[in-house]
Formats: sequence, structure tokens, C-alpha cells
Amino acid sequence: AQKVTQAQTEISVVEKEDVTLDCVYETRDTTYYLFWYKQPPSGELVFLIRRNSFDEQNEISGRYSWNFQKSTSSFNFTITASQVVDSAVYFCALLSYHAGGTSYGKLTFGQGTILTVHP
Amino acid sequence: NAGVTQTPKFQVLKTGQSMTLQCAQDMNHNSMYWYRQDPGMGLRLIYYSASEGTTDKGEVPNGYNVSRLNKREFSLRLESAAPSQTSVYFCASSHPGGRELFFGEGSRLTVL
Repeated sequence: AQKVTQAQTEISVVEKEDVTLDCVYETRDTTYYLFWYKQPPSGELVFLIRRNSFDEQNEISGRYSWNFQKSTSSFNFTITASQVVDSAVYFCALLSYHAGGTSYGKLTFGQGTILTVHP
Repeated sequence: NAGVTQTPKFQVLKTGQSMTLQCAQDMNHNSMYWYRQDPGMGLRLIYYSASEGTTDKGEVPNGYNVSRLNKREFSLRLESAAPSQTSVYFCASSHPGGRELFFGEGSRLTVL
């Protein structure tokens, strides 16, 4: 069974602080994808990144960076120099591929982390 | 190109009433999904349709039915709404294999 844990329910920071959102996952499959989504107050889900299980390179996109470590089953997300517009709920999600088939997009989501950035 | 469109965006029901959430995608995706989002629980899969003509239960299917009307449309029906079904519902679609899901904007349902 797949499981995603985001231990931080809520995080509050002041603008320009760096903040890291933790994500730990469990899966028995060797092929899987990890995702981060942002849900701003308007409610839609915004895709941020997808990583596959064979690519452990860290990724940076502007103020966002992701640290994928298979050894600890973690896929953490860091926002550098946070801004008020970063205030949102952030979800980590896992997509596993079972041997001999596909997962048909059955994402397993973490509980979400509410990030509030104060001016 | 609208992507994934859900209707209605908001709905208030009384316990026992029925309703259908509609979802349509214009990306020629084979697979479609219905998720529900509840506070502190992330999104959970209700039903999915891997391809036209097939549907399967997800993690939380009780109290729901679905219809894959054609390749574009996938509806979710609540036959007798209960307060526990108060939630935000998201429809999504993907190509076979589902390496990226495209989500609709969500439908907020309140059951009184």
C-alpha cells in the first residue's frame, strides 16, 4: 500500500524567510512518481513538479527547490525568500506503478501543509 | 482549450437529496478520476475510469456512483446525500499511465 506523510500541518513564516515542507512516502514499488501541488486560497490545484524514482537529482526552479532522497524516502520542498503569494496549502503525492501494469493515475496524497507567509 | 471543466462549482443539498456532478475534458485523455478533499486528509480517490466504458472503485466509493458517458465526460452521482459527503470534489484526467493528472477547479458541496 502507498502512503504519504506530511508531518507539518501548518507552518507560519515571515516574508523573506526560507521554509522547507517535509514529505515522506511509503511504497513497495520500484517505479513511482512523486509530485508537489499548490492549492492557493482560490482552491484550484496547481502542479509544481513531478520526479520519477530513478532520478534523484535535486531540482531548482526560481525560488523553489526539491530534495529527493530515496534512502530516506523523502521528497522535501524548499521555498527560498518566501513571499506572501506563497501562502497556500501544499500537497505531496505519490503515483506508484505496480509490476505488470499501470496505476491509472491513482495518486496518493499527503494530508497537506498549510503555509502562511506574513508580510 | 478549457482543460477539465466541472459543474456546478457550488451546491447545497439537504440530507437525502440526490445530485450529479458533471466533469468534461477536452484533452482527449483516456483516463478520468473523481477525488474528494476533506480538511486534514488530502485528496482521496472515489472512483476512476481507466478508459471509456470502464469504471473502478477507489479508496472511498461508498455512497457514490459514476458514469463514463463517453470519452470526454465522467459524472459522479450522489443518490442520497449525507452530511458526511460535505466536501470539495475534484475531477481529473490523464493519458494512459497517468503520469500527470490535470485537475478541474473543484466543486464545493454542502449537505445539510
